[in-house]
Amino acid sequence: AQSVSQHNHHVILSEAASLELGCNYSYGGTVNLFWYVQYPGQHLQLLLKYFSGDPLVKGIKGFEAEFIKSKFSFNLRKPSVQWSDTAEYFCAVTSYNNNDMRFGAGTRLTVKP
Amino acid sequence: DVKVTQSSRYLVKRTGEKVFLECVQDMDHENMFWYRQDPGLGLRLIYFSYDVKMKEKGDIPEGYSVSREKKERFSLILESASTNQTSMYLCASSLAGLRGDRPQHFGDGTRLSIL
Repeated sequence: AQSVSQHNHHVILSEAASLELGCNYSYGGTVNLFWYVQYPGQHLQLLLKYFSGDPLVKGIKGFEAEFIKSKFSFNLRKPSVQWSDTAEYFCAVTSYNNNDMRFGAGTRLTVKP
Repeated sequence: DVKVTQSSRYLVKRTGEKVFLECVQDMDHENMFWYRQDPGLGLRLIYFSYDVKMKEKGDIPEGYSVSREKKERFSLILESASTNQTSMYLCASSLAGLRGDRPQHFGDGTRLSIL
């Protein structure tokens, strides 16, 4: 089965700093990739997803992610974070023809005002 | 908007009890999933279902079972609760997709404590 690694467990940034969260997956075939966000006390929400086409995908709230097939990576980026971006971020993967999703361990982002 | 409703936000049970966690979705989704979320481990898939009366084991099915008698409802059962099953349990649903590209929609979670 596919698996996901998120290398940053806790990231602390000041407002207006740029963000990049790493995500690597292991699976040799075609994949679909997702980033979810969980704000404190709330349910997981979809930020963005990639399944084909342009490897640079844009999501909600100014987030984007780039799929680099040769590196098995799908890193999440935001040019300027805000205090309201404080949350936990999860990378997830499904394989083609399979709807069961595998998640990374998550990265907790703290943005200091 | 898709609504995934989990029956309890917080639940406290005793070791050895049989525990039922209920999940209902209102968008006629074919797929439903149960995860547990633990700090530092992310979400781990327990069981999933692609249709009524169908179930598939995820990565950590031991000690759990599931039931899907109706399309909108997916129940997680802890046959004999143990302290290592203390966790946050998340239910999710999604449309069926031949490509596997359908996002999942999550409930608010049930924080289960086994004493």
